[in-house]
Amino acid sequence: NAGVMQNPRHLVRRRGQEARLRCSPMKGHSHVYWYRQLPEEGLKFMVYLQKENIIDESGMPKERFSAEFPKEGPSILRIQQVVRGDSAAYFCASSSPGGQPQHFGDGTRLSIL
Amino acid sequence: GIQVEQSPPDLILQEGANSTLRCNFSDSVNNLQWFHQNPWGQLINLFYIPSGTKQNGRLSATTVATERYSLLYISSSQTTDSGVYFCASAYSGAGSYQLTFGKGTKLSVIP
Repeated sequence: NAGVMQNPRHLVRRRGQEARLRCSPMKGHSHVYWYRQLPEEGLKFMVYLQKENIIDESGMPKERFSAEFPKEGPSILRIQQVVRGDSAAYFCASSSPGGQPQHFGDGTRLSIL
Repeated sequence: GIQVEQSPPDLILQEGANSTLRCNFSDSVNNLQWFHQNPWGQLINLFYIPSGTKQNGRLSATTVATERYSLLYISSSQTTDSGVYFCASAYSGAGSYQLTFGKGTKLSVIP
């Protein structure tokens, strides 16, 4: 399967715990994007990364959220000290250096107890 | 940033009917994509169409970039077409490529 791979598909955390979401881009893609979808809403941009660089994090909450895309391995979206409001579907997309089109993974559904 | 508006917000169709979904965007774009989010939450890429017309089976899309709108046509609808259809665009001057999504059109196809 050469598509964008996200894991886990579902993640349950208790308030105060950490959540780590992983994304492996499509083969040949070097650009990764993270989006968040709150219940009954459209997707909202969070962060855009290239290997070892954060290009645009204008959509990231100022606290508790961080993202990385290391030289080796998947991109990671990390949420520290989760709260109930972090419950959402988190989608990762990837693209070639031209930026379009973006191909999306199946998302990670994060539930906070 | 760029604004994306979709209409109608909700649509109920009898199986076999045709429909047109509209997406208006507020600025010049270098990326326009249509997606179908199925009832399981998966986001399916339908079209990458910053301009022109494309067809894929019963679906087709047209983007008129100079007038800042795109249309998605669904013909002979089937119950499996149900779900939410999103339009998303990226502002051509941003340099970031971030997609801005509309709020979606929720389509229900009934037998």
